[in-house]
Amino acid sequence: DQQVKQNSPSLSVQEGRISILNCDYTNSMFDYFLWYKKYPAEGPTFLISISSIKDKNEDGRFTVFLNKSAKHLSLHIVPSQPGDSAVYFCAASESGGYQKVTFGIGTKLQVIP
Amino acid sequence: AAGVIQSPRHLIKEKRETATLKCYPIPRHDTVYWYQQGPGQDPQFLISFYEKMQSDKGSIPDRFSAQQFSDYHSELNMSSLELGDSALYFCASSRLRDREAGELFFGEGSRLTVL
Repeated sequence: DQQVKQNSPSLSVQEGRISILNCDYTNSMFDYFLWYKKYPAEGPTFLISISSIKDKNEDGRFTVFLNKSAKHLSLHIVPSQPGDSAVYFCAASESGGYQKVTFGIGTKLQVIP
Repeated sequence: AAGVIQSPRHLIKEKRETATLKCYPIPRHDTVYWYQQGPGQDPQFLISFYEKMQSDKGSIPDRFSAQQFSDYHSELNMSSLELGDSALYFCASSRLRDREAGELFFGEGSRLTVL
């Protein structure tokens, strides 16, 4: 039962253009959403998050959009850089309790110079 | 800054053997999480500990057990290993009370190969 779904296993984008990574979730109890970035041979690192009370959160080149009614979120990277090439995991959490994080399968982003 | 330390980084075992993975969280972090990521799969939550007590349990097989010790390090014990246990095992830590939900700090992972 995949509660967090990333339907695009990979994405290629030209350097300088926008990268858009999409994610859908099914669990209505999730109220906190995150994106993690993972390079080969490293653990995932936290990138950006958004609370369910917001619909947009921006941090430099990274913006996350949340559409609660559609249970959909997206990560926009503008402009994309070759160093952004990595696997991006969408994740979700419930703010109460011990806050375990549920991950999607990841999208491999390749930014072409 | 100190990060989450996992050992060993790589481990090769035979079927039916036992393996132990260790995790040393970031100092002053009170919560430890274990995740399993099989080839081409999403990281699956196994188990977590808060202040040395089990706080949550996910899809952890009965053959696996874990604990958190007084120094906050955690160990994941896996017995009667099966081929399907071959995966990357991540440990993550956080300080529950002063973080936003879900901001975990991950180690580099321990890759277990079962032959």
